[in-house]
Amino acid sequence: KAGVTQTPRYLIKTRGQQVTLSCSPISGHRSVSWYQQTPGQGLQFLFEYFSETQRNKGNFPGRFSGRQFSNSRSEMNVSTLELGDSALYLCASNLVGADTQYFGPGTRLTVL
Amino acid sequence: KQEVTQIPAALSVPEGENLVLNCSFTDSAIYNLQWFRQDPGKGLTSLLLIQSSQREQTSGRLNASLDKSSGRSTLYIAASQPGDSATYLCAVQDTGFQKLVFGTGTRLLVSP
Repeated sequence: KAGVTQTPRYLIKTRGQQVTLSCSPISGHRSVSWYQQTPGQGLQFLFEYFSETQRNKGNFPGRFSGRQFSNSRSEMNVSTLELGDSALYLCASNLVGADTQYFGPGTRLTVL
Repeated sequence: KQEVTQIPAALSVPEGENLVLNCSFTDSAIYNLQWFRQDPGKGLTSLLLIQSSQREQTSGRLNASLDKSSGRSTLYIAASQPGDSATYLCAVQDTGFQKLVFGTGTRLLVSP
């Protein structure tokens, strides 16, 4: 069974631009969560989607948004990029009722 | 607010040693605790998950214990190998939602 996939793997953007990251969960998984990892703040929860609905949201500004499609694939969008948004963005999926979360390889975003 | 701490921040050992990584959390009302491994620039690999009602879990050379009342977990690695070199992260899930609160990690280096 294929793991969690994320595209693109690397992105370079400039301040003020916007970016969209994509995550395809493991087949059959309906819950997708997003995390931001930086050297200073570590891993921080962004949001979780289940059946196209956002169930939980972390403490991030409104520039960070996401959505989930009917096939459980998820996207996150960051508008008006700032230098501090440079990070590794990870998504994770899990089965309904199961707790182990499976992470993708991440998207490395660099904001110049 | 749940806070997760990992000690030590870094650890260097010769091959073959048994070692213990520590994780502590401030709110004992957790749903479960997971240990992950992260190789440089990569995503997270789930190692062990311990439900709140369990005391320990084992997988191969790895053993994780949980003492919920004292807010502590340990990851024991037996007969360490150079391939074990990575950052080890613990994370707690303290709600029915899939949000994980991560520790800052322990960077392990096992020398041949």
